[in-house]
Parts: sequence; structure tokens; C-alpha cells
Amino acid sequence: ETGVTQSPTHLIKTRGQQVTLRCSSQSGHNTVSWYQQALGQGPQFIFQYYREEENGRGNFPPRFSGLQFPNYSSELNVNALELDDSALYLCASSLAGKRTSGPYEQYFGPGTRLTVT
Amino acid sequence: QKEVEQDPGPLSVPEGAIVSLNCTYSNSAFQYFMWYRQYSRKGPELLMYTYSSGNKEDGRFTAQVDKSSKYISLFIRDSQPSDSATYLCASGGGATNKLIFGTGTLLAVQP
Repeated sequence: ETGVTQSPTHLIKTRGQQVTLRCSSQSGHNTVSWYQQALGQGPQFIFQYYREEENGRGNFPPRFSGLQFPNYSSELNVNALELDDSALYLCASSLAGKRTSGPYEQYFGPGTRLTVT
Repeated sequence: QKEVEQDPGPLSVPEGAIVSLNCTYSNSAFQYFMWYRQYSRKGPELLMYTYSSGNKEDGRFTAQVDKSSKYISLFIRDSQPSDSATYLCASGGGATNKLIFGTGTLLAVQP
């Protein structure tokens, strides 16, 4: 069973630039959620994708957008980067429709550490 | 008030001690309660989850949920230095599929 993978591992961008982060879900999973984790904080929910559609969004501005592809992999795009966007970006996959824990049994990738200067 | 509150610690214990980690939550709609372990600069690793109230045991780990008091606990028996990490509680349920995380508790197990 292949776990969740993310790329790149680290990224340094300048304020105002745009960034794309990528995630491959665990095999057999059909749902991807993205989280932002600032230093010393717990992960904050950005949005979730199921069947290539956004399926819930947290309190993040529209410059945070995403995609899910037919193979369930996903991208997170952030436009007009701000200094406060510096964080660890985590992707988590889950299996919607699973009877007991459904979409809440989320398995995380290693994250992409984004630094905005 | 945050939906999930967690004491950030740090918590330092000697090897072999029983560790108790706790969270409180405010949203009565939450039905799923997760514990994740996160090593420094890594992604969170799912340790255990429970649905609704009750206990769940897995090896040295026991997760406990008391919905009447909105209290979530994780107990680690015979703690090991390899257990040193940040422990995150998370809750979910209701209209969305998102998990709400606490800030995490940093645990150090001293050899």
C-alpha cells in the first residue's frame, strides 16, 4: 500500500509570487484534504476535494485554490503570496463512503514547507 | 473560544511513566475523535480514532472520549524515548468532513 506523497519538500518564494503544491493520495483513497500548519500550531483546514469537486472549505481567501484529478491526486495553488503564508502545507487522503470513520480517518503526507520572503 | 483546546506543554516524563494527554472540545456535533503523533518537521501520523464516547485500546495506547464533558484523552503506558513527539488531538463531525485540530502537546520522554 502506497502512502501519501507530496512534492516539493521545501520551497522558497517571494511575496506576490504564485506556488503550486502537489499531492498523491494513498492507494484506494478517493478524498484529499489540504491543511496549513504554522509553526507551533495545529493544522488548519483549507479545503477538501472529492470526485474532483471541492467538498468543503475552511476560512481561507480565494487566492487559495485547488484541483483534484481523476486519479485522485491533487494540487494546491496559492496566488499573490504573503509573508504569513509561510507554513507547512499538509495533504491528507481518506476514503469517503467508508462506513465507520468515513472521511475523518485521514492519513497525512510529509508536507511541503513553504517559506515566503 | 477555539473549537478544540489542548495544553501545548511541554510535558517531560521519565521513561516507563504513564502519560496522560488531554483535550476539550466545544462543538456537540463532533462524533469522531482522532489522535495524531507528529515528529519534528514531519507530517502527522494517525495513532488512534474513536467514534462517539468510550475507550479504545491499541497496545500501549488508550484513547478515551467523554461526550458528556466534551473531554478527550490519550494514555500512553510504559512510555519510551521514541514516544517523544508532538501529540495532536482532532475532532470532526456534523455538516463538513474537516478535522479541527488542537495546537498539539509536546512530549519528551527522558531515558
